[in-house]
Amino acid sequence: GQQVMQIPQYQHVQEGEDFTTYCNSSTTLSNIQWYKQRPGGHPVFLIQLVKSGEVKKQKRLTFQFGEAKKNSSLHITATQTTDVGTYFCAGSSYGKLTFGQGTILTVHP
Amino acid sequence: DTGVSQNPRHKITKRGQNVTFRCDPISEHNRLYWYRQTLGQGPEFLTYFQNEAQLEKSRLLSDRFSAERPKGSFSTLEIQRTEQGDSAMYLCASSLTSGGPTDTQYFGPGTRLTVL
Repeated sequence: GQQVMQIPQYQHVQEGEDFTTYCNSSTTLSNIQWYKQRPGGHPVFLIQLVKSGEVKKQKRLTFQFGEAKKNSSLHITATQTTDVGTYFCAGSSYGKLTFGQGTILTVHP
Repeated sequence: DTGVSQNPRHKITKRGQNVTFRCDPISEHNRLYWYRQTLGQGPEFLTYFQNEAQLEKSRLLSDRFSAERPKGSFSTLEIQRTEQGDSAMYLCASSLTSGGPTDTQYFGPGTRLTVL
């Protein structure tokens, strides 16, 4: 079945540093979705990428979808303490989502 | 609040007991999904409905698990003869899709199950 791998598993940064998490799928995806989950919370939808090579920005967050639609990345510029949480990518193949393991981001003030 | 709601938020039960969770999706969303999340892992797909039809079930969903969406609105997930390994957060998500490549799923707050 489809597998989605995400690295790194943990990332500790100082406030103001940049952060990147990478996502790779074993199969071609119809789209990829990114979620953020705060400790004790539930996944909150951030963005969806559909087109090959697509790049989308949300303020300090930049999302990319690979040309082959098998990989993706999330980059946060100048992290803030409010960015802490676990960031998940989830691959979609016309239905269910297959989540990566997530990257736990810690931001030290 | 017009988001996905789940009840109860927490459930503690003894091994061997049956439990039932409820999910109310965002109104007019035609798809409803159930996922299970354990500590340190991403959510794992269990099953999903389009309207009242159950379209796919994961191999994770043993015969002790059953889900329904009788009128295409709310859904229930029942676990019979619970085991300690069933302890997890059970998440429900809903989406509005026409079958194309986009299917943004919105998650509820989850039901945390603890089996003693």
